[in-house]
Amino acid sequence: SQQGEEDPQALSIQEGENATMNCSYKTSINNLQWYRQNSGRGLVHLILIRSNEREKHSGRLRVTLDTSKKSSSLLITASRAADTASYFCARGSGNTPLVFGKGTRLSVIA
Amino acid sequence: DAGITQSPRHKVTETGTPVTLRCHQTENHRYMYWYRQDPGHGLRLIHYSYGVKDTDKGEVSDGYSVSRSKTEDFLLTLESATSSQTSVYFCALGSGRDVGELFFGEGSRLTVL
Repeated sequence: SQQGEEDPQALSIQEGENATMNCSYKTSINNLQWYRQNSGRGLVHLILIRSNEREKHSGRLRVTLDTSKKSSSLLITASRAADTASYFCARGSGNTPLVFGKGTRLSVIA
Repeated sequence: DAGITQSPRHKVTETGTPVTLRCHQTENHRYMYWYRQDPGHGLRLIHYSYGVKDTDKGEVSDGYSVSRSKTEDFLLTLESATSSQTSVYFCALGSGRDVGELFFGEGSRLTVL
């Protein structure tokens, strides 16, 4: 499989804590994207980081990319119950469609 | 909302019957994709289209065919449904093969008995 791997598969935290999810991949990329999926809904794009970028921020989201280690992380600061969802990384490799990982299920307990 | 509609949203069918899922867009995106989502497998690409009558296979294309006769519509057909095709199917729109974000529909849940 060409899929990347998210780690952990599931994460449960208290409201207000930070949540960190990791994504590893095997082949070269030109961008890496993170998506969120609420239960029973479609995926929603959160953030895109290009291969020549190391860190990107969007509101309470911080994404890092380490191409030498072929890994990325998504940090959600000050988590809220509404952040409860599944989070997916997807890698773009130039001339092929996005390949999604298996996702991390985040539960934020109020 | 990227103006994407999937139909039907839910369908139960018998093994061996044909099934067609429809994805309709109002946004004029060039690329359209069909993914399936299964527990333990995440999202896997079935087929995609890069223009009218231009389609290509994805990772799990066996047992599926697609057609795109106009920009707005991308059809996914299961010629003879099997229980292994029970899944949630997502259509997505994009501007390029991997450049930029994808916009996803709400999904079509298919159960094959």
